[in-house]
Amino acid sequence: ETGVTQSPTHLIKTRGQQVTLRCSSQSGHNTVSWYQQALGQGPQFIFQYYREEENGRGNFPPRFSGLQFPNYSSELNVNALELDDSALYLCASSLIDGKAATNEKLFFGSGTQLSVL
Amino acid sequence: AQSVTQLGSHVSVSEGALVLLRCNYSSSVPPYLFWYVQYPNQGLQLLLKYTTGATLVKGINGFEAEFKKSETSFHLTKPSAHMSDAAEYFCAVSVDTGGFKTIFGAGTRLFVKA
Repeated sequence: ETGVTQSPTHLIKTRGQQVTLRCSSQSGHNTVSWYQQALGQGPQFIFQYYREEENGRGNFPPRFSGLQFPNYSSELNVNALELDDSALYLCASSLIDGKAATNEKLFFGSGTQLSVL
Repeated sequence: AQSVTQLGSHVSVSEGALVLLRCNYSSSVPPYLFWYVQYPNQGLQLLLKYTTGATLVKGINGFEAEFKKSETSFHLTKPSAHMSDAAEYFCAVSVDTGGFKTIFGAGTRLFVKA
């Protein structure tokens, strides 16, 4: 158990809809990263939030957006859903001591399985 | 750009045999390297990490990995496989590129035969 919780665990949406996924980070952590894991592939970095600001973004379109709240929990929003957005979405929290810190350990939640029909 | 290549999407070993999972990375700056394990229906869990210092890193569950800069490799090994080691293993590299991120390989699924 990592202390990182994600909700919901499973979600079914139709193409064109919008979805919000939620993540509660481990107590004491100040950073949340979101990853998309398609079936049979490794996690792909979407973006990271550090102290409520975006701190790095992967190769995902602007319809993927996020928020981090003062309690360091986070949301991932995806607009105009496409069939290819079907995947496991993983949230990982960590504690870093500066925006550029790179040696921290990521603590992952169990993920949200999103199916787009 | 940083990248990670894991050789072999599937590896099968007998219980008690040596486990060797291969990982090569590409990075223009000294990287931090990680191995994570993912059990079915769960998130990823850190096995071990290399930051600086000793190039042979020991992790949980008897796993270890050696950082070889000349070969740009970070292979994961375990002397004797156990049935409970069956899982998906991901190698990852982390660098500061003006915004922090950890990049994962495609993963290697380890099967352990009785």
